[in-house]
Amino acid sequence: GAVVSQHPSRVICKSGTSVKIECRSLDFQATTMFWYRQFPKQSLMLMATSNEGSKATYEQGVEKDKFLINHASLTLSTLTVTSAHPEDSSFYICSASGTADFSGNTIYFGEGSWLTVV
Amino acid sequence: GIQVEQSPPDLILQEGANSTLRCNFSDSVNNLQWFHQNPWGQLINLFYIPSGTKQNGRLSATTVATERYSLLYISSSQTTDSGVYFCVVMTTDSWGKFQFGAGTQVVVTP
Repeated sequence: GAVVSQHPSRVICKSGTSVKIECRSLDFQATTMFWYRQFPKQSLMLMATSNEGSKATYEQGVEKDKFLINHASLTLSTLTVTSAHPEDSSFYICSASGTADFSGNTIYFGEGSWLTVV
Repeated sequence: GIQVEQSPPDLILQEGANSTLRCNFSDSVNNLQWFHQNPWGQLINLFYIPSGTKQNGRLSATTVATERYSLLYISSSQTTDSGVYFCVVMTTDSWGKFQFGAGTQVVVTP
């Protein structure tokens, strides 16, 4: 089946620095990618929708200047957490879709990335 | 937006036991999936089941779309079944944007 890869799987960064997380579709072209965040022992919350070649659409309450999303190619979307703080520590996961299948069955999730800000 | 409620929130099972997880949703959906999140955080798709019944090994799922609920059955549970089970839905007016339930934390003890 289709594969979505995230990198890095785990990252530790110092407070105040920026960290980039990549989401790649390995065997299909992803016109749309989605970024989710999961706080410890909680469910996943959609952060933003990333469309190739255009600006990301952020969900209410998500700071777009803090969570920069770039979808420069059909196989890669990046999430950059800028000026990271300990409260940004979380599990971030992306999903990607390659078709206009409106059932959404062709949406695949990456493995997720654990971010720890110290 | 759509509300997704999962029950029970926590479940402790002895190996070999059977269990049923429930997902209620507040609006019509065109996509419903069950995922298992393992202890390392990886999300594993179990079923795409907007309606009907499916079985895969020891797992099976049933969605009654008209009554807005879905059930996930785990039979002869094994320790590897431990983790969090999420019910995830998508509505026709929010393509691609999945709404996750709060999840059911399952612990299977030897």
